This record gives sequence, C-alpha cells and structure tokens, in this order.
Amino acid sequence: RKEVEQDPGPFNVPEGATVAFNCTYSNSASQSFFWYRQDCRKEPKLLMSVYSSGNEDGRFTAQLNRASQYISLLIRDSKLSDSATYLCVVNAGNQFYFGTGTSLTVIP
Amino acid sequence: DAGVIQSPRHEVTEMGQEVTLRCKLISGHNSLFWYRQTMMRGLELLIYFNNNVPIDDSGMPEDRFSAKMPNASFSTLKIQPSEPRDSAVYFCASSPNSYGYTFGSGTRLTVV
Repeated sequence: RKEVEQDPGPFNVPEGATVAFNCTYSNSASQSFFWYRQDCRKEPKLLMSVYSSGNEDGRFTAQLNRASQYISLLIRDSKLSDSATYLCVVNAGNQFYFGTGTSLTVIP
Repeated sequence: DAGVIQSPRHEVTEMGQEVTLRCKLISGHNSLFWYRQTMMRGLELLIYFNNNVPIDDSGMPEDRFSAKMPNASFSTLKIQPSEPRDSAVYFCASSPNSYGYTFGSGTRLTVV
C-alpha cells in the first residue's frame, strides 16, 4: 500500500467554481502535512501546511482528519492561474511522502 | 538566498555514459533529498542525507546510482552507466528541519 494516495484526476472546472481534493495516508504516526503545487515543467512549491484545526489562506482551505487519516484542500472561486498539479505531502519519521498529484485545469 | 540550485538544467546523453547531477543547498539547511519524477511513477525519493550523512538510500534503483555529499552545502548524484529508462526529471530538495522542503528547478535527463 502506498504511503499517500491521491485521485490523479484530471479535474476540469469552470472559472469561479469551488473544487476539493482529498488525500489519504497510511501511517497513523504521521506528524505533519502539506499541500504542494507543481506547474507544468516546474518544481513543486509549498502551497500551504495543514494544521490539525484546519487553516485558511485566502481562497484555499486545508483540513486534516487524523481519525480517518485524510487531508483535504478546498479552492474557492477558482482562477485560471490555479491550473496546476496539487501534491499531498505527509511527513512521518523524518521522511516526506508525496502523493502522485491531482491535476486541476480551470476553464474560462 | 538564491534557493536550491541544480545543474545542469537539461542533459542529453548516450546510453552507457556517466551522468553527474549537482545540487547546492540553501545555506543553513541540514537535510538534502534527491527525487526522481516520471509521468508513470510520480515523485520517487531516491536518497536523503541529514547533516551530510546518508540516512536512507533504499530508493536508489540499483548500483548504477550513487550519491555523495562532500560538504554541508553540496551534493552530487551520479549514474554510471546511464540507460534510457533513467530518463526523468531529477529534483534536489533541502530542508532546515522536518518542516517543509524547498526544491531546486530540477535536471531534465534524457538518455538516448
């Protein structure tokens, strides 16, 4: 079983839509959680950390459910510039485990 | 700070040749990670170092791959001999602790 699993998509949504991605992880001892964004032919970049109480950064909301071992990312009022691949990342035992990413395309 | 710097950005080589990828960490970061990314398998951790010491190299595909960290700010990943299936984007990332990575821009390797 993979450490981190994500739906690869693709998600194709119209501009202004709300879209949500989920990610599950297998190690219950995982300590920290992140969402990274990767644009085509670029390196992954940290989008936001995910805190136990949930956290928001503008149009982006991240949530963690330890009991069910999943994290989520919600994007409201999606923009064309949100088109990218979103990678779920879980830190356990000083190692970072990446999901394979969820592809999002926002359509005009 | 210039961030994590990788070189070369692109490398095209013939099968059987030696390839050396280079990475300069962000000053003050003590962990370094080498990843390989392909469409089929996504991001795969090859090896990581903490304070210049290799901690886990279980992701290194085979003996043709080797990585070194001769000092606190620099690392190399060597493939000898290279094969077409090694074609991928190789990322180096550094971290000051267990809290988040910063990636380099990657080296796009093509072995023909």
